[in-house]
Amino acid sequence: AQSVSQHNHHVILSEAASLELGCNYSYGGTVNLFWYVQYPGQHLQLLLKYFSGDPLVKGIKGFEAEFIKSKFSFNLRKPSVQWSDTAEYFCAVTTLPMDSNYQLIWGAGTKLIIKP
Amino acid sequence: DAGITQSPRYKITETGRQVTLMCHQTWSHSYMFWYRQDLGHGLRLIYYSAAADITDKGEVPDGYVVSRSKTENFPLTLESATRSQTSVYFCASIEPLEPYEQYFGPGTRLTVT
Repeated sequence: AQSVSQHNHHVILSEAASLELGCNYSYGGTVNLFWYVQYPGQHLQLLLKYFSGDPLVKGIKGFEAEFIKSKFSFNLRKPSVQWSDTAEYFCAVTTLPMDSNYQLIWGAGTKLIIKP
Repeated sequence: DAGITQSPRYKITETGRQVTLMCHQTWSHSYMFWYRQDLGHGLRLIYYSAAADITDKGEVPDGYVVSRSKTENFPLTLESATRSQTSVYFCASIEPLEPYEQYFGPGTRLTVT
C-alpha cells in the first residue's frame, strides 16, 4: 500500500539553526506533493506544493522543499528557523489521475519546537 | 466569507449519544473529506465524498456516518459516541485543478465523556 514516511516525530532546535524535515513516499506513479503546517491551536495551512517543473519549490515564510524523484523524497528545509516556526508539519502526497483510484496520503507529522 | 466552516467548534457529549458535526464550503469543490487528528496518529481519513450523493470509506470509518445531499455540505454523524472518538475533527475540500490542494476547516474539538 502507498505510504508517506516522516522520519522525525519530534525535532527540537535553537533559533537560527537550519532545519531539514524528511519525507519519503512509496508510490511508483505520478504524484503531487505538499507540506502543510499546523500552528498550535490552529488548522492546517499549506506551506508549499509541487506538481511539475522545477523540483526546488519555495513556499511561505522562507521554507523550501526539493523533490528528488529517484529517492521518492520531498524534504522540507529552512536555513534559519525562528521561534514562530514552532508547529507540527505534515507531508502529503496525492496520486494521479484524480479518478476513482485517487488517494491522498498523509505522513504522521513532525512536531517542531524552536527554543528561543 | 469564502472558505470552509465547521460547527460546532467545541463539543462535549456523553457516551452513547448521537452527535453531528457540520461542514460547509463555499467554493463548490467536488471532493470533501473528514479527518480525525489524534496524538501519535497524525491525520486519519474517516470518509470522503467525490460529489453529491457519492461517499466512500477512508481509513477509520467505523462508528461514523456521512451524507452529501448538497455539494456544499458534508455532515459527519457519530451514531453512538464512544470515548475513543474523542478527537479533533477536520473537514477539507479539494480544488479541482492540479495540484489538487486541500483546504481545511478550523476543526471541531469533540470530547466524549
